[in-house]
Amino acid sequence: IVLTQSPGTLSLSPGERATLSCRASQSVSSSSLAWYQQKPGQAPRLLIYGASRRATGIPDRFSGSGSGTDFTLTISRLEPEDFAVYYCQQYGTSPQAFGQGTKVEIK
Amino acid sequence: EVQLLESGGHLVQPGGSLRLSCVASGFTFSNHAMSWVRQAPGKGLEWVSSISGSAGSTFYADSVKGRFTISRDNSKNTLSLQMNSLRGEDTAMYYCARNYDILTGYWSAFDYWGQGTLVTVSS
Repeated sequence: IVLTQSPGTLSLSPGERATLSCRASQSVSSSSLAWYQQKPGQAPRLLIYGASRRATGIPDRFSGSGSGTDFTLTISRLEPEDFAVYYCQQYGTSPQAFGQGTKVEIK
Repeated sequence: EVQLLESGGHLVQPGGSLRLSCVASGFTFSNHAMSWVRQAPGKGLEWVSSISGSAGSTFYADSVKGRFTISRDNSKNTLSLQMNSLRGEDTAMYYCARNYDILTGYWSAFDYWGQGTLVTVSS
């Protein structure tokens, strides 16, 4: 399964809403879709799993939705610490795969 | 507190070998599948390999199959990746990661990550 994320870069201001897309080349099994955040020089951090379940300690401004081949990560109001690269991952079909990433940058 | 600490990365010549290790603490290691994920400089994430909690099942990306071997020692809470026939395209930061779901094992996301160990393949 190939995951395609869009847009490649999202330029927004703090307080704005961010909508990130992840499209799969075939249906993702059992909504086995995760989202990660990565900041420069840091390891990725799990935000969302099972397409819509927030991981432990993740603020509720982060939400995931979608099923089948189309998934979305929404950040309701961007905080300064949210500017980072975001990756989607499918883990329901072998081999697991990541999307190429969406960079959310300060406008 | 869950901690994953990788080691073993360094500069190696093409065709060479390297063994990465990841020491885990703060959880029952044998309950969780574990994985390696890599990231080439300036690039995205690539899943490399996974192993079940019991070490009975292993999984590999096509790009490393036949060259890399994943293993674990549950008595020492240690995950390993033996890397042979290394190529320039294997240059990357290698992360150790825990598969979060005890029941589904490999078929789950990565909830904890180490800080990574850098492998550079160059002559």
